[in-house]
Amino acid sequence: EVQLVESGGGLVQPGGSLRLSCAASGFMFSGYWMTWVRQAPGKGLEWVANMKQDGSDKYYADSVKGRFTISRDNANNSLYLQMNTLRVEDTAVYYCARIGSTTVNSEDYWGQGTLVTVSS
Amino acid sequence: QAVLTQPSSLSASPGASASLTCTLRSGINVDSYRIYWYQQKPGSPPQYLLRYKSDSDKQQGSGVPSRFSGSKDASANAGILLISGLQSEDEADYYCLIWHNSAWVFGGGTKVTVL
Repeated sequence: EVQLVESGGGLVQPGGSLRLSCAASGFMFSGYWMTWVRQAPGKGLEWVANMKQDGSDKYYADSVKGRFTISRDNANNSLYLQMNTLRVEDTAVYYCARIGSTTVNSEDYWGQGTLVTVSS
Repeated sequence: QAVLTQPSSLSASPGASASLTCTLRSGINVDSYRIYWYQQKPGSPPQYLLRYKSDSDKQQGSGVPSRFSGSKDASANAGILLISGLQSEDEADYYCLIWHNSAWVFGGGTKVTVL
């Protein structure tokens, strides 16, 4: 069974930093692109960043570029999101996701999410 | 203009069919894209429903009822999620997704209400 479990969320002041983690299990983690998606309270889904299987390629939404860094540890089946210079508008539930499946028997999976609140 | 546009809400009666559209911005050809669909209920993460590019390139999520199906309307430049035989449990938000210009792009979501 595929499982994605996020951790590391919490309350942080504007300008502060936070590091999110995602523990993956139930599939060959090193074989998939992995993604962070967020959802502000009462709003829709917003893609944040994604990273290629071996970490050699990554992409960021303009809203977080230069402030957030995605990384992964394939040996420990983990995905990370380092968030610096946080803003009030970064307040959201952050989901770790395996999305964008393309092969015949693969499908997408989402974690339960971790809440990040940026407030003074 | 947004890359993907979804109607904000849709209401239908139990047993009816609901057609949810995901319209691509002018200049972006729907034929070139694989469109992913997700369902999200309050307080829960999104759940994968299906993906659709063509009749020969599509995939249904495991455990997703066959009354959920995907298609495209080339004349409208849109992806479509059809829910046949609506049930009360289908009341949720539905999002479409594409990979465009090295970024994942979500539609704004459609809230489906089963009257």
